[in-house]
Amino acid sequence: SQQGEEDPQALSIQEGENATMNCSYKTSINNLQWYRQNSGRGLVHLILIRSNEREKHSGRLRVTLDTSKKSSSLLITASRAADTASYFCATYNTNAGKSTFGDGTTLTVKP
Amino acid sequence: EAGVTQFPSHSVIEKGQTVTLRCDPISGHDNLYWYRRVMGKEIKFLLHFVKESKQDESGMPNNRFLAERTGGTYSTLKVQPAELEDSGVYFCASSQGTGRPYFGPGTRLTVT
Repeated sequence: SQQGEEDPQALSIQEGENATMNCSYKTSINNLQWYRQNSGRGLVHLILIRSNEREKHSGRLRVTLDTSKKSSSLLITASRAADTASYFCATYNTNAGKSTFGDGTTLTVKP
Repeated sequence: EAGVTQFPSHSVIEKGQTVTLRCDPISGHDNLYWYRRVMGKEIKFLLHFVKESKQDESGMPNNRFLAERTGGTYSTLKVQPAELEDSGVYFCASSQGTGRPYFGPGTRLTVT
């Protein structure tokens, strides 16, 4: 299976609710990033969390990282219809020299 | 500071035709990466340049894809001949050293 697997694959919620997406990975990392892609468009970098950090906030986003479990979560609070997109985690390892993306979670926020 | 730019933003071609995608990295970034997301699936790594050299091209799907980075500045990704399954969004990213990659807006390729 691929490194950087997101869970769930699809999530549908009502506007105003919170959305939680999880990501698991297999190898050691230097940092982990979360991205958003709106339908057929470019990648938007949301947040980067380093391997020595456990939690990070940015606006309505909260990211956690548990290196012992090799997992991360992205929480979007008070969701909006505009948050509808695909969300990806990407792990970066210096030895590999590249970012490896997970399968992504498709989030639908209903107005 | 200008970000990573990609051209074109959208390309529609017929099966069998050739398409060339271009990526201009952030000035001074030695690392340049190509990724793609096809058929709404996962984002897959294609290859990595360090300056003008191919550091890792393990993700290139087949010999219909050719990437170049002459002079270590901009890069092109040519698909020849294009197949239906090549449709998707092609992303380019650049970074300096071990810094995080900065992604471009992507090129949406539609093969009909």
